[in-house]
Amino acid sequence: NAGVTQTPKFQVLKTGQSMTLQCAQDMNHEYMSWYRQDPGMGLRLIHYSVGAGITDQGEVPNGYNVSRSTTEDFPLRLLSAAPSQTSVYFCASLGGRDRNEQFFGPGTRLTVL
Amino acid sequence: RKEVEQDPGPFNVPEGATVAFNCTYSNSASQSFFWYRQDCRKEPKLLMSVYSSGNEDGRFTAQLNRASQYISLLIRDSKLSDSATYLCVVRYSSASKIIFGSGTRLSIRP
Repeated sequence: NAGVTQTPKFQVLKTGQSMTLQCAQDMNHEYMSWYRQDPGMGLRLIHYSVGAGITDQGEVPNGYNVSRSTTEDFPLRLLSAAPSQTSVYFCASLGGRDRNEQFFGPGTRLTVL
Repeated sequence: RKEVEQDPGPFNVPEGATVAFNCTYSNSASQSFFWYRQDCRKEPKLLMSVYSSGNEDGRFTAQLNRASQYISLLIRDSKLSDSATYLCVVRYSSASKIIFGSGTRLSIRP
């Protein structure tokens, strides 16, 4: 199993550009989520999905869109990048013995100039 | 007010010491609780779940106090390798969002 994979690892954007952060998991997990992490802020939930075709907003959804057309993939779209979206983005899927353990991808480090 | 709050630290303790962190949560409907560990510039990883009766995993003990809405993590006989950020995590129900605290930074010195 590859676990949770994220691409790209690093990205630099200009203000106003759009892009999609990719996330995929091969563990057949239903629940997936996106977080952003800023210094001193911990991880803040952007969007999450409890299964294919179902998504919901987290704590900081503005400026981001998600879709979940398959169980494996959960892409995060930045519609019009802003400097405030400079952050490290983590994707996670929920599984484990009790389906209570989140498995995280390695993160995408995004800088918006 | 944040839904999950932690003392950011840093806690700087000598090797072999015992250290404890608390985490408070605001939603009394919260059902599941966890501690995650995050090393510098790495992804978080599950350290342990927190059960109502309290639970232990080697040198680590987790406690839940539902009446006061806090969870705690105790680390005994701390090792240099325990240096990391410890994240408190709360889940409301099986189909709902999972919220992280901002983390407590721990540094163990020789």
